[in-house]
Amino acid sequence: GAVVSQHPSWVICKSGTSVKIECRSLDFQATTMFWYRQFPKQSLMLMATSNEGSKATYEQGVEKDKFLINHASLTLSTLTVTSAHPEDSSFYICSAPGTAIYEQYFGPGTRLTVT
Amino acid sequence: DQQVKQNSPSLSVQEGRISILNCDYTNSMFDYFLWYKKYPAEGPTFLISISSIKDKNEDGRFTVFLNKSAKHLSLHIVPSQPGDSAVYFCAARGTGGYQKVTFGIGTKLQVIP
Repeated sequence: GAVVSQHPSWVICKSGTSVKIECRSLDFQATTMFWYRQFPKQSLMLMATSNEGSKATYEQGVEKDKFLINHASLTLSTLTVTSAHPEDSSFYICSAPGTAIYEQYFGPGTRLTVT
Repeated sequence: DQQVKQNSPSLSVQEGRISILNCDYTNSMFDYFLWYKKYPAEGPTFLISISSIKDKNEDGRFTVFLNKSAKHLSLHIVPSQPGDSAVYFCAARGTGGYQKVTFGIGTKLQVIP
């Protein structure tokens, strides 16, 4: 099946700094990628839809100036958490749509801890 | 408002027996329901789906049942195998396109050899 990778798998940063997370489709092209966030004991929540060559679409309540998304190529989307705060500590996971309209291929996720 | 609920955080089943994972939803506009399986340090992988117009879908050892009147679906795994031990996410797709997928919090299944 299709493979989606994420880098880094975990990161610790200090409050106020920025962190970039990469999401790559390894053996297929993805014009669209999705970014999710999961807090402990909560479900995966869609943050934004990343579109190659155009602006990302953010879900209600997600600050687009804080979570910068860039989808510069058909195989790479990046999420930058700017001016990170401890409350941004979470598990961030990306996905790309599969051939079936309801199917998504997920990356392994990135654990972000802001101290 | 949690539209997809998995009320059992964990489940333990003996190898060879049936595993039943439950999921409830509140939004009657969902048109597809999905189950994903997640191993530690890996992303969720698609397991099985069911359209809202059906009440059962079977794929090998995995069967998903949908009860629309009760807004309830369940995933049956039979026979359960130790390799099935994972976290299972129930998800539902709204009519806003495939990106509008709402996930439950997951149920951790442990199959005991």
